[in-house]
Amino acid sequence: EAGVVQSPRYKIIEKKQPVAFWCNPISGHNTLYWYLQNLGQGPELLIRYENEEAVDDSQLPKDRFSAERLKGVDSTLKIQPAELGDSAVYLCASSPRGRGGEQYFGPGTRLTVT
Amino acid sequence: AQKITQTQPGMFVQEKEAVTLDCTYDTSDPSYGLFWYKQPSSGEMIFLIYQGSYDQQNATEGRYSLNFQKARKSANLVISASQLGDSAMYFCAISTGGFKTIFGAGTRLFVKA
Repeated sequence: EAGVVQSPRYKIIEKKQPVAFWCNPISGHNTLYWYLQNLGQGPELLIRYENEEAVDDSQLPKDRFSAERLKGVDSTLKIQPAELGDSAVYLCASSPRGRGGEQYFGPGTRLTVT
Repeated sequence: AQKITQTQPGMFVQEKEAVTLDCTYDTSDPSYGLFWYKQPSSGEMIFLIYQGSYDQQNATEGRYSLNFQKARKSANLVISASQLGDSAMYFCAISTGGFKTIFGAGTRLFVKA
């Protein structure tokens, strides 16, 4: 069974530029999460989807961050414009129905904003 | 609101010995799940073990066991017979109704040969 796929693995951009991250969850997992992880800290939830519906986006900075999961499968997280403080690892995870804490993570995208 | 506290920033253990990683939590929700994840230097988070708040028995998964003490609100991870490959960051997490998951700050485990 294929795991969670994320791309790109690394991204370096200048501040004020846009950037997008893509995630394809494990087949059949209806819940998808985007997390931000700063160095030396635990992941922090940005947004959670149940199928195509964003059910928890309270931590998403909506002035510059947006996300979509149009067909309830893969998802895109966008930042526009990026700021220096957005440098972090962006993790995508998915979980099977009814087992929300048992999350399976992708390798992450390491974003560096210069 | 829920909270996870991991007070050990770093731990050392000799290969083949057991080690306990501490985790305390706080939540007002009577139904919750507690989880441990491993994050090697490669960066990928790996699910290790789950304990439900109503589970009577402590969870075990191979060399991993979760020492669940509900009254003390603790969910310590015990790794038996440590291996060099166990060297990693370990995160404790709590998930409550609606599957909102909060992670602790993590403990870095170093296994010595």
